[in-house]
Amino acid sequence: NAGVTQTPKFQVLKTGQSMTLQCAQDMNHEYMSWYRQDPGMGLRLIHYSVGAGITDQGEVPNGYNVSRSTTEDFPLRLLSAAPSQTSVYFCASRRQGTVTGELFFGEGSRLTVL
Amino acid sequence: GQNIDQPTEMTATEGAIVQINCTYQTSGFNGLFWYQQHAGEAPTFLSYNVLDGLEEKGRFSSFLSRSKGYSYLLLKELQMKDSASYLCAGFSGGYQKVTFGTGTKLQVIP
Repeated sequence: NAGVTQTPKFQVLKTGQSMTLQCAQDMNHEYMSWYRQDPGMGLRLIHYSVGAGITDQGEVPNGYNVSRSTTEDFPLRLLSAAPSQTSVYFCASRRQGTVTGELFFGEGSRLTVL
Repeated sequence: GQNIDQPTEMTATEGAIVQINCTYQTSGFNGLFWYQQHAGEAPTFLSYNVLDGLEEKGRFSSFLSRSKGYSYLLLKELQMKDSASYLCAGFSGGYQKVTFGTGTKLQVIP
């Protein structure tokens, strides 16, 4: 059972380049989300989705785009990378309507923007 | 956004008991989570409190007081492998958003 799979695990970009972080889950979870984690800042919500075709902004959405064409996939796009986007990115999913609302996290994608 | 406050770091001795506190703004939160995160790894779910009181799961217990905006995670019989960051988090926005505190880095020493 793969759970939540993120690719790539590591990436180095130059300022202004674009890239997509991939996230896929095989648990048929309706809810998917992207967080970034920076030292001293904790996990901050970038974007989230409650189902295919539905996305919404989190706390720090600027510079990032998402789409949700299928239940399984929730890619995060950086249109023009900036050094401030150097971070560890986590994708997380959960089943809607569960009592605990437990989030299942991917292993993380470590991005460096030079 | 909602504010969640936790101590930045704590140190405790192997075999002892440690309590990690978390305070939050009471308006808008619908329950509190605790996650564990080892260095370089993803967070993993420990517990969830939606009602006031204590929830016990083996060596780990979590407490919530909604009226006081206060929660704590209690770790008993500490082991070296418990050295990790512990993240307090809450639902907001009608169960659509999970907001995390900055985490408490716990070091367990022999």
